[in-house]
Amino acid sequence: GAVVSQHPSWVICKSGTSVKIECRSLDFQATTMFWYRQFPKQSLMLMATSNEGSKATYEQGVEKDKFLINHASLTLSTLTVTSAHPEDSSFYICSARESLSLPQHFGDGTRLSIL
Amino acid sequence: QKEVEQDPGPLSVPEGAIVSLNCTYSNSAFQYFMWYRQYSRKGPELLMYTYSSGNKEDGRFTAQVDKSSKYISLFIRDSQPSDSATYLCAMNLNTNAGKSTFGDGTTLTVKP
Repeated sequence: GAVVSQHPSWVICKSGTSVKIECRSLDFQATTMFWYRQFPKQSLMLMATSNEGSKATYEQGVEKDKFLINHASLTLSTLTVTSAHPEDSSFYICSARESLSLPQHFGDGTRLSIL
Repeated sequence: QKEVEQDPGPLSVPEGAIVSLNCTYSNSAFQYFMWYRQYSRKGPELLMYTYSSGNKEDGRFTAQVDKSSKYISLFIRDSQPSDSATYLCAMNLNTNAGKSTFGDGTTLTVKP
């Protein structure tokens, strides 16, 4: 149980385009979802926390207008990287949690490459 | 100083060895403790989840929590090459925010 599906797993696009990444909890309802960014050989960097039906809470230094997060249902959250540039290239990972007393479960990540 | 400090590694052991991975933390309010395994280019996978001090065993894995010393460990018995990965400790406060604080990870290589 506790499967989180993230799509796409890899995307390459031109500078200036917007990219949407989906995160779905397949067998549980996720009251909270998290979005992370990870650079090679570094730990996870939390970007934002989203609760279903509420606006996302962004970590300090993360641009809200750049990284749009929508958590419209208990099983789906999306991250849209708007007007992406090469410096946005990274590994983006989502996670989902059913309740406060339960652990997060992660998707398999999305490798984003901006040319 | 970071809230969670994890032994940096890297760690290299022969197949069959017992592996000990460790984290210390400074915030005594942490209530929930997790260990994740992350293979290269994949998302972290939950291995162990504990709430109280003591030991929790699952197959070859044992998680140990010592709240009085603010110290957690993950032991891997009979290590296998497939255990080669980065291991992340994580912990949560018991609040509505509830975001996890992660260690920086320890990279383990088990050599055949």
